[in-house]
Amino acid sequence: SQTIHQWPATLVQPVGSPLSLECTVEGTSNPNLYWYRQAAGRGLQLLFYSVGIGQISSEVPQNLSASRPQDRQFILSSKKLLLSDSGFYLCAWSPIGAEAFFGQGTRLTVV
Amino acid sequence: AQRVTQPEKLLSVFKGAPVELKCNYSYSGSPELFWYVQYSRQRLQLLLRHISRESIKGFTADLNKGETSFHLKKPFAQEEDSAMYYCALQGGGSNYKLTFGKGTLLTVNP
Repeated sequence: SQTIHQWPATLVQPVGSPLSLECTVEGTSNPNLYWYRQAAGRGLQLLFYSVGIGQISSEVPQNLSASRPQDRQFILSSKKLLLSDSGFYLCAWSPIGAEAFFGQGTRLTVV
Repeated sequence: AQRVTQPEKLLSVFKGAPVELKCNYSYSGSPELFWYVQYSRQRLQLLLRHISRESIKGFTADLNKGETSFHLKKPFAQEEDSAMYYCALQGGGSNYKLTFGKGTLLTVNP
């Protein structure tokens, strides 16, 4: 069966520090991968999605970037965090036109 | 543009009352539409998808292409239905972007 792993669950980082959140999927190949930010009143904001290795689509210009170095690995990064980057980040994978499966999420607090 | 609108942030009903969570979408082609639910302290999970035309936990949703709507309905709400509900759209063909609405928090009171 397919599973999705996202870590860490919580993270506290100082302003200006780098960020790396990792998401991996098991039990499937060539998944579509997504990074979302979930905020109260704003729902799930799509940040990045990827349909294959090295293929990244960015939805919202911001201080973050994404990479897909391997088929089942999706990384959310920042070179220098801002206070406004604080939030709850969700990774998901999906076959086309079918159910999306979500990770447990990462609560990022930038201090 | 691909957009999902859920006009109600909060919806409160009494147990046994009918409930309707509204969802409207904007998409030029033929989209795939979904409803996702997030119960307290649980992961976001699929509730139903329009292509299945099924009823899950008593919920149904009908795609109305003329009104570009995909409202979620249940005739008799239960307390355990209290959760956050998200409407989502994925474009057809080679469009893999999966867009969510802002969500509606449903509270079913005893």
